[in-house]
Amino acid sequence: NAGVTQTPKFQVLKTGQSMTLQCAQDMNHEYMSWYRQDPGMGLRLIHYSVGAGITDQGEVPNGYNVSRSTTEDFPLRLLSAAPSQTSVYFCASSYSLDTQNTEAFFGQGTRLTVV
Amino acid sequence: GNSVTQMEGPVTLSEEAFLTINCTYTATGYPSLFWYVQYPGEGLQLLLKATKADDKGSNKGFEATYRKETTSFHLEKGSVQVSDSAVYFCALFSGGYNKLIFGAGTRLAVHP
Repeated sequence: NAGVTQTPKFQVLKTGQSMTLQCAQDMNHEYMSWYRQDPGMGLRLIHYSVGAGITDQGEVPNGYNVSRSTTEDFPLRLLSAAPSQTSVYFCASSYSLDTQNTEAFFGQGTRLTVV
Repeated sequence: GNSVTQMEGPVTLSEEAFLTINCTYTATGYPSLFWYVQYPGEGLQLLLKATKADDKGSNKGFEATYRKETTSFHLEKGSVQVSDSAVYFCALFSGGYNKLIFGAGTRLAVHP
């Protein structure tokens, strides 16, 4: 079972560069989300999607764009990287928003450094 | 808004010691509560959950009880092992916000 696959695992960017973090899941989950993990701050929600064609902002959306053209894929785009975006990024998916089924499955993370 | 507060770490224990990691929450309505665990170099994985007051979630020797009167969901284990060394996250899901909200995480280090 592949689960949630994130690529790349590591990335170094220069300030102002753009890039896309990829996320794919093979569980036919409707709900997908992106978090960033910073020391002492837990995981903060960047963007989420409740289905193909539908996205919404989380707690810290500035500097990031998302789209959801298929159920499987939910890429995260950094348009102009800044050092404040240095973080570990996690993609997660879950079957639905029903509280009885909201186990979230996480990818292994992408460690991004912006210099 | 909804939030989760965890005890600060790191927590350092000897093998076979008793573990408690405190978690309290603020939320409207009746959220579902979760503990996730993150082993070194990996993503988070669900450890246990409880979806209503007085429910007890349990898995791998860990337990947590949903206490609405104290808005708490403390994680306990009677005898920890070195392999339990990880970061533990308390989280809540409130359907009205469509978000899984995490605490800051508590790092546990267990020594032989």
